[in-house]
Amino acid sequence: DAGVIQSPRHEVTEMGQEVTLRCKPISGHDYLFWYRQTMMRGLELLIYFNNNVPIDDSGMPEDRFSAKMPNASFSTLKIQPSEPRDSAVYFCASSYIMGDPNQPQHFGDGTRLSIL
Amino acid sequence: GENVEQHPSTLSVQEGDSAVIKCTYSDSASNYFPWYKQELGKRPQLIIDIRSNVGEKKDQRIAVTLNKTAKHFSLHITETQPEDSAVYFCAKNTGNQFYFGTGTSLTVIP
Repeated sequence: DAGVIQSPRHEVTEMGQEVTLRCKPISGHDYLFWYRQTMMRGLELLIYFNNNVPIDDSGMPEDRFSAKMPNASFSTLKIQPSEPRDSAVYFCASSYIMGDPNQPQHFGDGTRLSIL
Repeated sequence: GENVEQHPSTLSVQEGDSAVIKCTYSDSASNYFPWYKQELGKRPQLIIDIRSNVGEKKDQRIAVTLNKTAKHFSLHITETQPEDSAVYFCAKNTGNQFYFGTGTSLTVIP
């Protein structure tokens, strides 16, 4: 398995622009998580999906952030409009739980986002 | 109840010595405790995990201990090597979510 695949690996854009981050989870996994990592705040959970349905988006910082999972193999995290304080590394992770929550999450390589 | 406290935040050891990182939590619902290693610029990778029906688990030079009564769990790395240098995160699950510690930056000095 290729693991969790994220794109792009790096994104540099000017404030006010729309940013779209993409994630392909491991095939067969039923949970998908979006995290943001910064030096100041560490790893923060933004939102997670179960079988393509958003379960908890309480970590999404503002209405500028939105996430979708149109099918089991693809998810997007969108920021519109972007601001410099959104600069961070964004990780996607997936896991196979199927009623047993005691399962590891597998992370993608992340997207390093810089908003100028 | 969701926070995980991790100590120390930084740790330097001489090559060959042992390193210990400790995490504490406060809720009683968590039953799964993974540890992740994150090298600079890379993804967090699972290195070992433990479930609440087990007190200790070992995988070569890495071991994890769990004390559910005291609500703490620890990572032990023996015979450290320079390639062990990284940031280590503990985590616990509550339901289907993970809550991560703030990380320990381990430096192994050759």
